[in-house]
Amino acid sequence: QKEVEQNSGPLSVPEGAIASLNCTYSDRGSQSFFWYRQYSGKSPELIMFIYSNGDKEDGRFTAQLNKASQYVSLLIRDSQPSDSATYLCAVNGPNTGNQFYFGTGTSLTVIP
Amino acid sequence: EPEVTQTPSHQVTQMGQEVILRCVPISNHLYFYWYRQILGQKVEFLVSFYNNEISEKSEIFDDQFSVERPDGSNFTLKIRSTKLEDSAMYFCASSWTHSSTDTQYFGPGTRLTVL
Repeated sequence: QKEVEQNSGPLSVPEGAIASLNCTYSDRGSQSFFWYRQYSGKSPELIMFIYSNGDKEDGRFTAQLNKASQYVSLLIRDSQPSDSATYLCAVNGPNTGNQFYFGTGTSLTVIP
Repeated sequence: EPEVTQTPSHQVTQMGQEVILRCVPISNHLYFYWYRQILGQKVEFLVSFYNNEISEKSEIFDDQFSVERPDGSNFTLKIRSTKLEDSAMYFCASSWTHSSTDTQYFGPGTRLTVL
């Protein structure tokens, strides 16, 4: 069974702070890691993806991947109230075919 | 910007009835997917579809479910005899390739309520 684990939260940060979201996965063969944002009652919206160990930055977002530790994280700098949502980690790889395995998501609240 | 569309946005049905959920994937994408999300739970894979065939399906996708691409644009999910536990958000997604590194883009979802 391929598992993707996330702390469900809720995680609360003040506006302007850095929010740190974490995800671990069980399948060592996983290759691709995606972060989606989901507002309540809405569909997952892609934020960014990462394939290689290390950091990948896109605007206020930074994804970090450590395949040896089977760990991927998302940092949100200068958090805004509009960042308040549930953040989903999704994993894919050669052992999963073309299906994404999602975590349960971490609920983030940015307090003005 | 191209996007996946789904209809209807909300479907209410009686237990035992058949429902068809419709999706229009992004036009140049070749791979199509259905996922579901029961309220408060994780997004779960149902099925993937390519070249008019199912390429992969999960344990959830039993004989009550079927998918079809009836024309060049629509992709449908049929549930033959709905059960209470089929109540969920159903998301259609599409991607350009089958590669494990390719992003899947999600539609807005159809909320299915089975009474």
